[in-house]
Amino acid sequence: NAGVTQTPKFQVLKTGQSMTLQCAQDMNHEYMSWYRQDPGMGLRLIHYSVGAGITDQGEVPNGYNVSRSTTEDFPLRLLSAAPSQTSVYFCASSSPDGQGVNYGYTFGSGTRLTVV
Amino acid sequence: LAKTTQPISMDSYEGQEVNITCSHNNIATNDYITWYQQFPSQGPRFIIQGYKTKVTNEVASLFIPADRKSSTLSLPRVSLSDTAVYYCLVGDPYTGTASKLTFGTGTRLQVTL
Repeated sequence: NAGVTQTPKFQVLKTGQSMTLQCAQDMNHEYMSWYRQDPGMGLRLIHYSVGAGITDQGEVPNGYNVSRSTTEDFPLRLLSAAPSQTSVYFCASSSPDGQGVNYGYTFGSGTRLTVV
Repeated sequence: LAKTTQPISMDSYEGQEVNITCSHNNIATNDYITWYQQFPSQGPRFIIQGYKTKVTNEVASLFIPADRKSSTLSLPRVSLSDTAVYYCLVGDPYTGTASKLTFGTGTRLQVTL
């Protein structure tokens, strides 16, 4: 059981370049989210999804796009990379239990992105 | 979403019990309290979740008083491997707020010999 898989683990981009951070989960979770974590800071929500075909913006969505065409995958696209987007990006997934209670998210190991 | 306040950092010696308190004065009726642990260079890991009174699992205990305006994560007999950042989150796990967790800066626990 792989859990939440993020690729790549490390990436260096030049300002203005675009790229897609991949996130896949094999737990059939409904909820998926993307966070960024800057040095010494907590995690900030970028975008989230409550199911295939449904996405919404989080706290810091500018400069990022997402789509959720399948339950398993939730890619994050950087449209035109900027140095301010240098951060560690975490993908997470979760699902309510039979009573509708969501007991916690499973996080991926992160993608460390540097924009120069 | 209820705002949480927790100490920025704590220090402990190995073998001691550590209690980390989180304040959440505007917690809503349907909100649960959830704690995550994050090691350096890793994603957060779910530790424990509760609504009221006391919850215990193999990792920690969570104490929630009757007014639910605060909660305390208790780590028994910590070891060096418990050095991490601990986050307290408050939200309704039954609704869409569960899909958008809000993390603060957490409490950085340093365990030494």
